[in-house]
Amino acid sequence: GAGVSQSPSNKVTEKGKDVELRCDPISGHTALYWYRQRLGQGLEFLIYFQGNSAPDKSGLPSDRFSAERTGESVSTLTIQRTQQEDSAVYLCASSLAGQGGLYEQYFGPGTRLTVT
Amino acid sequence: QQPVQSPQAVILREGEDAVINCSSSKALYSVHWYRQKHGEAPVFLMILLKGGEQKGHEKISASFNEKKQQSSLYLTASQLSYSGTYFCGLIQGGSEKLVFGKGTKLTVNP
Repeated sequence: GAGVSQSPSNKVTEKGKDVELRCDPISGHTALYWYRQRLGQGLEFLIYFQGNSAPDKSGLPSDRFSAERTGESVSTLTIQRTQQEDSAVYLCASSLAGQGGLYEQYFGPGTRLTVT
Repeated sequence: QQPVQSPQAVILREGEDAVINCSSSKALYSVHWYRQKHGEAPVFLMILLKGGEQKGHEKISASFNEKKQQSSLYLTASQLSYSGTYFCGLIQGGSEKLVFGKGTKLTVNP
């Protein structure tokens, strides 16, 4: 079946502009995660959605970052007033229900964001 | 909360073995291991759960020491295809959030 897809694959934007990144999880996966990966760095947790529960937003670096998810489908990550330090690859992952990490995460190809 | 991985990098010749360690300062519920090749998305390798249950690829082995709050990934008879950055991710009790370490870069040379 289809894997996790993300769009756009690349985004170049000017400092101060808003950007919206999209993630389509694997059908039936109730858990969805967003991560940020700066060049040569690790995976930085941003936000986690699980079904209809309130999302875990503890990783969002500032109030310029927000994310939404419609039911158990598409999610969008929005970055307002982008800054150069926002330049990174943004990865989305999905998995079956959480339950303490019983299920593996499937990652999308990522969106490479460059802020000029 | 971020797990500590060691070593940060390791270089092997094909056929050699390596161990990658992951430790936490908090009690663990589960440990995930992923491998990321350059320019690609991370790919699942293994999950180890408190209580001993494991799921993952047959050719990968790992251990989970609940008392020491540590996990180790064992790569034996390494192949060129093993090259990449290995990340451990931890689920701590009471949370569904997977927090990753900074990664261990493994290079396997012919």
